[in-house]
Amino acid sequence: ELKVEQNPLFLSMQEGKNYTIYCNYSTTSDRLYWYRQDPGKSLESLFVLLSNGAVKQEGRLMASLDTKARLSTLHITAAVHDLSATYFCAVGRGNEKLTFGTGTRLTIIP
Amino acid sequence: DGGITQSPKYLFRKEGQNVTLSCEQNLNHDAMYWYRQDPGQGLRLIYYSQIVNDFQKGDIAEGYSVSREKKESFPLTVTSAQKNPTAFYLCASSPGQGVFLNTGELFFGEGSRLTVL
Repeated sequence: ELKVEQNPLFLSMQEGKNYTIYCNYSTTSDRLYWYRQDPGKSLESLFVLLSNGAVKQEGRLMASLDTKARLSTLHITAAVHDLSATYFCAVGRGNEKLTFGTGTRLTIIP
Repeated sequence: DGGITQSPKYLFRKEGQNVTLSCEQNLNHDAMYWYRQDPGQGLRLIYYSQIVNDFQKGDIAEGYSVSREKKESFPLTVTSAQKNPTAFYLCASSPGQGVFLNTGELFFGEGSRLTVL
């Protein structure tokens, strides 16, 4: 059974600081996704990572995938308040359905 | 605009009542999904459908039912057998297996919040 763990579950950080959210998964998988969810809202797709070593960047967010370590990271650079949200990773394997992590609730403090 | 429309956005139900949540997509996607999200939790898969007239149970299908009579529609019924139905329900779609350049990414609707009184 594929299990996906994120850490930390909660993160408060000051504006302007850098931090990383980690997504570990338990078995070999071939694709990984990052989503953002604002309170009471739906999920918005951020990144799709399809191969080992894949790195994607959008604004202050950068995601990477290491399939050998079964690890993806979401790095936040010089955080701003607008990045406050819950971030989910989701892992896919073959034809199986996506398995979601429990989410990381990020709060950016002015 | 292409997208996924869920309705209603908010729904209140009395105990013992069945309710149906609507999900319509105009993305021409083959696959559709229903997820449940409880406060502060991740997403759990209820049902999914990869083709019209076919669907499969997810991890928490008990107390729910679905139909897929049309490609663009995948309604979810929360039955009275679901003992704790208060939650946020999310519908999603994806192009489906074998579709060229399909990355497996899910596209989500805005969600329906169900509260049992």
